[in-house]
Amino acid sequence: DGGITQSPKYLFRKEGQNVTLSCEQNLNHDAMYWYRQDPGQGLRLIYYSQIVNDFQKGDIAEGYSVSREKKESFPLTVTSAQKNPTAFYLCASSMKAGDEAFFGQGTRLTVV
Amino acid sequence: AQSVTQPDIHITVSEGASLELRCNYSYGATPYLFWYVQSPGQGLQLLLKYFSGDTLVQGIKGFEAEFKRSQSSFNLRKPSVHWSDAAEYFCAVVQGGYNKLIFGAGTRLAVHP
Repeated sequence: DGGITQSPKYLFRKEGQNVTLSCEQNLNHDAMYWYRQDPGQGLRLIYYSQIVNDFQKGDIAEGYSVSREKKESFPLTVTSAQKNPTAFYLCASSMKAGDEAFFGQGTRLTVV
Repeated sequence: AQSVTQPDIHITVSEGASLELRCNYSYGATPYLFWYVQSPGQGLQLLLKYFSGDTLVQGIKGFEAEFKRSQSSFNLRKPSVHWSDAAEYFCAVVQGGYNKLIFGAGTRLAVHP
């Protein structure tokens, strides 16, 4: 089945540690996105990539990093520089930037 | 910068009643507009989208939305709500020139039996 897979579903880390969230899609989509969701704030864009080997910062990129070495993969690293990393993270992809986006099931990150 | 406003944080309706969720955007040109729905702890599912053409668009699960350029609005409607419609609803817009998909803060819908 085609779709977007985020792993793991739940992730716990100690404060000060970097952590990488996985996002894989087999939809042959060019564009991929990472969003952070906090209660009452909707989805805020962290990074997006319109094509492989290229990505742009979103509205809240500080403390995060990404790579897009393969078309199907767009991993997000939450670094120790992110002041408040506990949140629900959603990955999405679209055929091309600006098209309807398809979402993964999310990863809930808790930093203790 | 382009923005999306959903004025209602929470809405409660009775099952069988009609529903309208509001969405306003700020952008000069005609944007691409979307409505998504999210069940607790899950990803988002597309309900409908507007790119151009007929300003009344039909979506899945009996939802529809109307694009009104004069009001910069894209309100979501359903004539008769079912208990299974209880969820959080997000309006989104593509920011032209940057191709960023920007979301509103969401409206949480509760349905009373």
